[in-house]
Amino acid sequence: DAKTTQPPSMDCAEGRAANLPCNHSTISGNEYVYWYRQIHSQGPQYIIHGLKNNETNEMASLIITEDRKSSTLILPHATLRDTAVYYCIVRVYGAAGNKLTFGGGTRVLVKP
Amino acid sequence: EPEVTQTPSHQVTQMGQEVILRCVPISNHLYFYWYRQILGQKVEFLVSFYNNEISEKSEIFDDQFSVERPDGSNFTLKIRSTKLEDSAMYFCASTTGQFLSTDTQYFGPGTRLTVL
Repeated sequence: DAKTTQPPSMDCAEGRAANLPCNHSTISGNEYVYWYRQIHSQGPQYIIHGLKNNETNEMASLIITEDRKSSTLILPHATLRDTAVYYCIVRVYGAAGNKLTFGGGTRVLVKP
Repeated sequence: EPEVTQTPSHQVTQMGQEVILRCVPISNHLYFYWYRQILGQKVEFLVSFYNNEISEKSEIFDDQFSVERPDGSNFTLKIRSTKLEDSAMYFCASTTGQFLSTDTQYFGPGTRLTVL
């Protein structure tokens, strides 16, 4: 699986959009970009994933650049409960059972 | 919404003792995983399990560890002789395991294992 690079931490104001960048310059054509988050010491929580098109769900939006070498997770209206460590992970598509390889993630602190 | 459950939430044991951590994956899922997270460190993959056998394991998953699906609902991780360095959060995860799907992994809340 390709390696990802994320900033170690960032702050965000409550009610504002949080934009979390991720670099994955060695991503292969058959790899998806996944985002998970971990609130305090809870189990990682799936947020969203994408291959090459932008994706949106009830939690977030995922913007993937055309060359697929980077992506941005957008939390449209951050709340205090969005304070967590956010992980960007690339993983081979179509290979059932592949493990997730977690990096250090970005520690997001949402401030009032 | 279906979820992965784990018991106990916290397990305290003495060094050298055996522990069994239990997980109930989502009911229609076929792939099961164990991960661990030592305090302040990254989430690390331990093992994946499919069709009643290990499909992949990490170098952490040595002979002290074993996994089992003893019945149609439970998935267990056994540590035969615990060491101080086994103290960590242990997370179970499951996926549908469908080929050519995005195979999203869903995690349980974790078991905090403390070895004294």
